[in-house]
Amino acid sequence: DVKVTQSSRYLVKRTGEKVFLECVQDMDHENMFWYRQDPGLGLRLIYFSYDVKMKEKGDIPEGYSVSREKKERFSLILESASTNQTSMYLCASSLYSPLQHFGDGTRLSIL
Amino acid sequence: QQQVKQSPQSLIVQKGGIPIINCAYENTAFDYFPWYQQFPGKGPALLIAIRPDVSEKKEGRFTISFNKSAKQFSLHIMDSQPGDSATYFCAASSNHAGGTSYGKLTFGQGTILTVHP
Repeated sequence: DVKVTQSSRYLVKRTGEKVFLECVQDMDHENMFWYRQDPGLGLRLIYFSYDVKMKEKGDIPEGYSVSREKKERFSLILESASTNQTSMYLCASSLYSPLQHFGDGTRLSIL
Repeated sequence: QQQVKQSPQSLIVQKGGIPIINCAYENTAFDYFPWYQQFPGKGPALLIAIRPDVSEKKEGRFTISFNKSAKQFSLHIMDSQPGDSATYFCAASSNHAGGTSYGKLTFGQGTILTVHP
């Protein structure tokens, strides 16, 4: 079974902090994705990566950046956290298909 | 922006009922339509998926109906059970065989389904 692991289930940070969310997959998948999930808005794509060191913006990249130094690891970075970035963050991975495997999410609160 | 519109936002049925969740899309290049199921505290997991060359796909109690001309698809859950209570997301993707889409999915807004015993 594919396993996508997000390093933290819950995280509380302060406004202005730099925040790192980590995601690791164990299936040698090429593609990795970061989403945020908000009630009534569904899952919105922040960034995705199709290869090591390669990344593309999703639908809502503002205020975020990403890093993929190794194939199995994809990090989401909030450069200067703001209260409107309080949300559930989901990481996913896939091979050469739209079948995406998700982690269990990180619930991030920015105070 | 590519969109997938999902309704209703929430749905309550009694055990044994047949909840129906509807989705509509705009982009005619979409060629893969999955449904994801999410339980509280868990990430979404693929439930069932359909391609536009068929009008219906059934897996167990779950059925997708697809209307290409109307650009709509729906999920039906037969004989619903309390264990089906979850959030359901429809999604759509284009260039499913690879290409430049990298398997990106566009998700609907989600439907919170509650099945009462």
